Amino acid sequence: SQELEQSPQSLIVQEGKNLTINCTSSKTLYGLYWYKQKYGEGLIFLMMLQKGGEEKSHEKITAKLDEKKQQSSLHITASQPSHAGIYLCGAERKGGGADGLTFGKGTHLIIQP
Amino acid sequence: DTEVTQTPKHLVMGMTNKKSLKCEQHMGHRAMYWYKQKAKKPPELMFVYSYEKLSINESVPSRFSPECPNSSLLNLHLHALQPEDSALYLCASSPTGRGRGYTFGSGTRLTVV
Repeated sequence: SQELEQSPQSLIVQEGKNLTINCTSSKTLYGLYWYKQKYGEGLIFLMMLQKGGEEKSHEKITAKLDEKKQQSSLHITASQPSHAGIYLCGAERKGGGADGLTFGKGTHLIIQP
Repeated sequence: DTEVTQTPKHLVMGMTNKKSLKCEQHMGHRAMYWYKQKAKKPPELMFVYSYEKLSINESVPSRFSPECPNSSLLNLHLHALQPEDSALYLCASSPTGRGRGYTFGSGTRLTVV
């Protein structure tokens, strides 16, 4: 089965600083998703990456997919308190679709004022 | 409508009770999912329905019984649960096919006493 390793497990960043979260897969990535979750709440979709070298940005968040390295990174620029939460990467479980996602263990992000 | 709606938001039940969780979406998605998330852990896939038919059961105990009455509705029937089944239960939906995006509900917080 596919495993996703996220690093770091937790991150404390001063407001205004940049940060990067990594997600490495044990198998080929067919589709990589990034979600944000507040404790006890649902998952908020951030971005989906499918092709090697693909890079997407939304507001101050940029995600990249390195298919050869089976790795994705999530970069936040000029962090704000609203960025605090748990960031989860998820990979398509199989190639055919409609099989659900396998998630990494998450990165807990704390923004210090 | 771009949401997945889950009810109830919170549920407390005894070990001898029977209860149901409900999930609804009106995005025309033909795949629906149940996930279980324990505290400080990532979501874990339980069941997948594709075109209203159960396609994946991740060896879930029979005290959890899923049902998909139509393409918009997904239920999870609960009976004789154990305290260790206390968790956040998340529903998701997606179009069928790879890389089409998964939309998650806000979850039902279940406590078994």
